[in-house]
Amino acid sequence: AQSVAQPEDQVNVAEGNPLTVKCTYSVSGNPYLFWYVQYPNRGLQFLLKYITGDNLVKGSYGFEAEFNKSQTSFHLKKPSALVSDSALYFCAVREETGGFKTIFGAGTRLFVKA
Amino acid sequence: GAVVSQHPSRVICKSGTSVKIECRSLDFQATTMFWYRQFPKQSLMLMATSNEGSKATYEQGVEKDKFLINHASLTLSTLTVTSAHPEDSSFYICSASRESSNQPQHFGDGTRLSIL
Repeated sequence: AQSVAQPEDQVNVAEGNPLTVKCTYSVSGNPYLFWYVQYPNRGLQFLLKYITGDNLVKGSYGFEAEFNKSQTSFHLKKPSALVSDSALYFCAVREETGGFKTIFGAGTRLFVKA
Repeated sequence: GAVVSQHPSRVICKSGTSVKIECRSLDFQATTMFWYRQFPKQSLMLMATSNEGSKATYEQGVEKDKFLINHASLTLSTLTVTSAHPEDSSFYICSASRESSNQPQHFGDGTRLSIL
């Protein structure tokens, strides 16, 4: 069965510094991996996905994520954090042959301090 | 980008009433829609997956008779919370997906349901 873990409940970063939000996953077959962001009292917004191809995936708002098959990780990164990046971030995994069912991580709250 | 509209954004009602929440995909055909419940400071709990024209598939532990889902067209799914009680108070979020499983889900802005 597929699963996804976000080991950090919260990440604190100073504005202008690089940020990393961690995600590890477990699937039987090939994974489809996604990152979503949620702002207060809103639904989730899609940031980026990994399906196949280059391990470094670029997404919205300057975010990128690196797929590492050996470490089964898909960490979200940004070279220079903005205060407006403060939000709740969810990693999600779907198995290639698992239909549409997606498993979400518990979420990591990112605080970017000015 | 793809847009999913969820309505209403907030509902406050008395215990025992039924509440209907609508989820519409505005610019694409959503063969599959999902309904989630999100508790404070917690992740999304998938309640059910609905496919257009067929019965919804409910996750284990979700009461089918309590949470009625209808997906009558490729652009509309509804969730009806029947005879709602205070413990049903939560943030409900829908999402829609295009046909291919490697496509991301597009989420509505959620409905804050408060049962008094």
